[in-house]
Amino acid sequence: GQQVMQIPQYQHVQEGEDFTTYCNSSTTLSNIQWYKQRPGGHPVFLIQLVKSGEVKKQKRLTFQFGEAKKNSSLHITATQTTDVGTYFCAGRAVNTGFQKLVFGTGTRLLVSP
Amino acid sequence: EPEVTQTPSHQVTQMGQEVILRCVPISNHLYFYWYRQILGQKVEFLVSFYNNEISEKSEIFDDQFSVERPDGSNFTLKIRSTKLEDSAMYFCASRDHRHYNEQFFGPGTRLTVL
Repeated sequence: GQQVMQIPQYQHVQEGEDFTTYCNSSTTLSNIQWYKQRPGGHPVFLIQLVKSGEVKKQKRLTFQFGEAKKNSSLHITATQTTDVGTYFCAGRAVNTGFQKLVFGTGTRLLVSP
Repeated sequence: EPEVTQTPSHQVTQMGQEVILRCVPISNHLYFYWYRQILGQKVEFLVSFYNNEISEKSEIFDDQFSVERPDGSNFTLKIRSTKLEDSAMYFCASRDHRHYNEQFFGPGTRLTVL
């Protein structure tokens, strides 16, 4: 079945450093979403990318969808302690059901002040 | 701001017992979902529900699982005979028809099967 892997599993940075997580799908995706989950919390929707090669920015966060629509990345510039949490990508494969969203394995980010 | 609510926040049960996890989706939403997350692992899709029927389900959602929308507000997940490996956080999510892909997650129910 469809698998979505993320690297790294875990990253610990100093406040102010940049951070990037990479998401790779075993199958072509119709779209990719990114969620943030704070420790002990629930996933919170950040953004959705649909087009091949699409880049979107939200303040210090930059999201990219690969040309082949099989990979994506999230880059955070100048991390802050409020960025702490696990970042998940989630996508729908082009040849699967309309509703099923497959989550990536997640990247846990820890930011030290 | 409207939010998805779930009860209970934590449920402890004995193996073989039935549990019902409850969710109240955001009131104008039409699509409902259940996910589970085993501690420290990724979020896994269980089932989606629209127009009073299941629209899609995963391999995890076997005959032991069922969902229901018993009234206009609640959305429930029933596990008929719990197993140890059902221990996880269960998240309910909902979305409306306009925001095609933004799902709003509830705070989750932690299920512990002893």
